[in-house]
Amino acid sequence: SYVLTQPPSVSVAPGKTARITCGGNNIGSKSVHWYQQKPGQAPVLVIYYDSDRPSGIPERFSGSNSGNTATLTISRVEAGDEADYYCQVWDSSSDPLYVFGTGTKVTVL
Amino acid sequence: QVQLVQSGSELKKPGASVKVSCKASGYTFTSYAMNWVRQAPGQGLEWMGWINTNTGNPTYAQGFTGRFVFSLDTSVSTAYLQISSLKAEDTAVYYCARGGGRVAARNFDYWGQGTLVTVSS
Repeated sequence: SYVLTQPPSVSVAPGKTARITCGGNNIGSKSVHWYQQKPGQAPVLVIYYDSDRPSGIPERFSGSNSGNTATLTISRVEAGDEADYYCQVWDSSSDPLYVFGTGTKVTVL
Repeated sequence: QVQLVQSGSELKKPGASVKVSCKASGYTFTSYAMNWVRQAPGQGLEWMGWINTNTGNPTYAQGFTGRFVFSLDTSVSTAYLQISSLKAEDTAVYYCARGGGRVAARNFDYWGQGTLVTVSS
């Protein structure tokens, strides 16, 4: 099965930029989606198709994908951005078809 | 607006069964697949499989065959997850999630609030 690797944690000061990586073999050839999950809540889609934002998601959230790494960038970080973040891809040759990354806990200092 | 509303928390004994419901509203139920995702305590997200809401045909991910059954009642726009012969390791939050995205780039665009299933004697 396809494997997506994320750093367990990222710490960032308010107002600064957080970058969360998602590593996978030739992930640049796939579409990557990102979810935010706050404690006790369901995940929310924040980036889809590598870099598109659903309506209602702040422009501070952006994404990129190339080579073996996809990146979620959160600019001007706020306290409310503190959450777990998961990347996800769909891979027709994998079981499971939908693969989640290992998850990254973002802590706002 | 799209909403997925799941049934409440369950406490079950080992060996029992549980059925979790997911009622959809705000869109045409049969136009989108429904997925199930598991999250064990303190762990990440794990895709369990999906059900074609047009045909009722389920697809189960590796590790979720045998004791797990997906079903539908399209008359009330509701999907179900049934787990039989429950084990302690089935203790988790179970989410339904609508299948979104284009072909070969699927994602989960809306999620239910989650149902905590606790298996304990």
